[in-house]
Amino acid sequence: EIVLTQSPATLSLSPGERATLSCRASQNIYNYLAWYQQKPGQAPRLLIYDASNRATGIPARFSGSGSGTDFTLTISSLEPEDVAVYYCQQRSNWPPITFGQGTRLEIK
Amino acid sequence: VQLVQSGAEVKKPGESLKISCKASGYSFTNYWISWVRQMPGKGLEWMGRIDPSDSYANYGPSFQGHVTISADRSTSTAYLLWSSLKASDTAIYYCAREGVTVTGPPFDPWGQGTLVTVSS
Repeated sequence: EIVLTQSPATLSLSPGERATLSCRASQNIYNYLAWYQQKPGQAPRLLIYDASNRATGIPARFSGSGSGTDFTLTISSLEPEDVAVYYCQQRSNWPPITFGQGTRLEIK
Repeated sequence: VQLVQSGAEVKKPGESLKISCKASGYSFTNYWISWVRQMPGKGLEWMGRIDPSDSYANYGPSFQGHVTISADRSTSTAYLLWSSLKASDTAIYYCAREGVTVTGPPFDPWGQGTLVTVSS
């Protein structure tokens, strides 16, 4: 089973700041990594797939990068509505499909 | 494209349960449907998936033998079934449309979630 480790567990930043979230895989997953956003009380929403492709309707301030075992989700300029938990996910090697444990993003 | 799940359930340990996920706005047999568990205050866990075109399902190791995933092509609906619930099954369960290739959008969209509470 591929383990995804996200860091930091919690990130607290001010509006307009840049957020950098990390996801590390326990083995090579090429670029088969996705990022999801889960706002409080809502279902998850796809943000990024294949490491760097924005999903339909996702604002340009969200970007993804990386390949192999190290990946990054960047939010270039934080908005108050970006408060959420962010999860990475791999489908390179299944079953099982696995998710990271999540990074909670707080806005000061 | 939309996935609409059945409503919240309250059950007792040992009871059976079937929850549903109705798809609309796309060809049901062209995508898989995955189920994801979220226990209270916890992260996302993949339970398993089904290919509606042939009803072949596979499961995560933690869920194999404890749940059954099925699909009805005639109603474009996927199901998650328990034959004997435990208190530890208390969670929100999400369905998601899954792309059939390793590249491309994976889980998109998601259903709104079904809260299952198991308590004596």
